[in-house]
Amino acid sequence: DGGITQSPKYLFRKEGQNVTLSCEQNLNHDAMYWYRQDPGQGLRLIYYSQIVNDFQKGDIAEGYSVSREKKESFPLTVTSAQKNPTAFYLCASSSRDRGQPQHFGDGTRLSIL
Amino acid sequence: AQKITQTQPGMFVQEKEAVTLDCTYDTSDPSYGLFWYKQPSSGEMIFLIYQGSYDQQNATEGRYSLNFQKARKSANLVISASQLGDSAMYFCAMRDTGGFQKLVFGTGTRLLVSP
Repeated sequence: DGGITQSPKYLFRKEGQNVTLSCEQNLNHDAMYWYRQDPGQGLRLIYYSQIVNDFQKGDIAEGYSVSREKKESFPLTVTSAQKNPTAFYLCASSSRDRGQPQHFGDGTRLSIL
Repeated sequence: AQKITQTQPGMFVQEKEAVTLDCTYDTSDPSYGLFWYKQPSSGEMIFLIYQGSYDQQNATEGRYSLNFQKARKSANLVISASQLGDSAMYFCAMRDTGGFQKLVFGTGTRLLVSP
């Protein structure tokens, strides 16, 4: 079945540590996105990528980095510069058709040890 | 800048009743799209329904329909015949102007369906 796979489901970070969240899609979508969700809040865009080897900052990119070396993969690194990383992270992908929805993975919950 | 407003933090409905979740939006772009997503407690975002700004008819998908009032800039979600499994967070989102498919989300409404 086509879909988006995020791993791990739960992740713990120590102070000063970088961690990487995985996102893989087999929907053949060109665009991929990373969102952050805090308790009781909506989703905020961290980074997005429209094509391979290209990505743009979203609304809250500070303390995060991404890469897009393959169409299927869009990993997110939460760096030690992100001082409040505890949140739920959602990856999504979409086709070029502006009438089609974004498809989401099941999310990764990141906590600080 | 585009903005989505969901003014109902929480809504209660009895099983088998209909419920309307409010969403208003602000944009200066004549071409836009509005989406509704459901987020159960497990966390995944489930797409429910889409309305394009030029669509003549209100969108419907099974028990979900969208009450689209362009002049009032509202796109309310109507769930008919509520089921216990409808209990979840519901988010309204708008496709960003100029963005490839960027979405701007509202803060969501938590719906609780009681037996």
